[in-house]
Amino acid sequence: GNSVTQMEGPVTLSEEAFLTINCTYTATGYPSLFWYVQYPGEGLQLLLKATKADDKGSNKGFEATYRKETTSFHLEKGSVQVSDSAVYFCALRLTGGGNKLTFGTGTQLKVEL
Amino acid sequence: DTGVSQDPRHKITKRGQNVTFRCDPISEHNRLYWYRQTLGQGPEFLTYFQNEAQLEKSRLLSDRFSAERPKGSFSTLEIQRTEQGDSAMYLCASSLGLSGPTDTQYFGPGTRLTVL
Repeated sequence: GNSVTQMEGPVTLSEEAFLTINCTYTATGYPSLFWYVQYPGEGLQLLLKATKADDKGSNKGFEATYRKETTSFHLEKGSVQVSDSAVYFCALRLTGGGNKLTFGTGTQLKVEL
Repeated sequence: DTGVSQDPRHKITKRGQNVTFRCDPISEHNRLYWYRQTLGQGPEFLTYFQNEAQLEKSRLLSDRFSAERPKGSFSTLEIQRTEQGDSAMYLCASSLGLSGPTDTQYFGPGTRLTVL
């Protein structure tokens, strides 16, 4: 079946630190990959996406590269801010198959001054 | 703001009661999705509609759950004879329904259900 595995949280960083949140996937087909973010008390927001191998999605200083050979889509940011504190979800959607998103369990990020 | 809206935002009910949630998608979005999110977990797919047609249902959607989208616009999710295990955040999302990999789902704020 299809699944997404994320590193467990919480991840606690100091402001301006480098962030990596690992995400790997298993898919029976050729998926599109997504990162969603959930700020405290708010709904899920699309952060970035990539639809084919070697694509790099980017938004708000966050980046992730679709690595087919390692089935990974790790989220990175060079310098985190307190306002980046949230829960980050990696997800996949199969192309040409069902339209549902399959999510990982989420990784909580806490950024401290 | 013309994002996805959900009503109510919070619902507390007693075990055995029926509840109904509403979702209003982004206008012109043809697809509408329901997900369930329990504490500490990622959202899990329940069902989705293409216009008014319900095209896929998860095995998570037991006989006590029913979803409708009668005119292809808003959708309702009803849970009959609620159980404590139904306590969760129910999320609605919508998308344009583009073919291929570029179709993006946009989520509403969710309805938090607590079954006592």
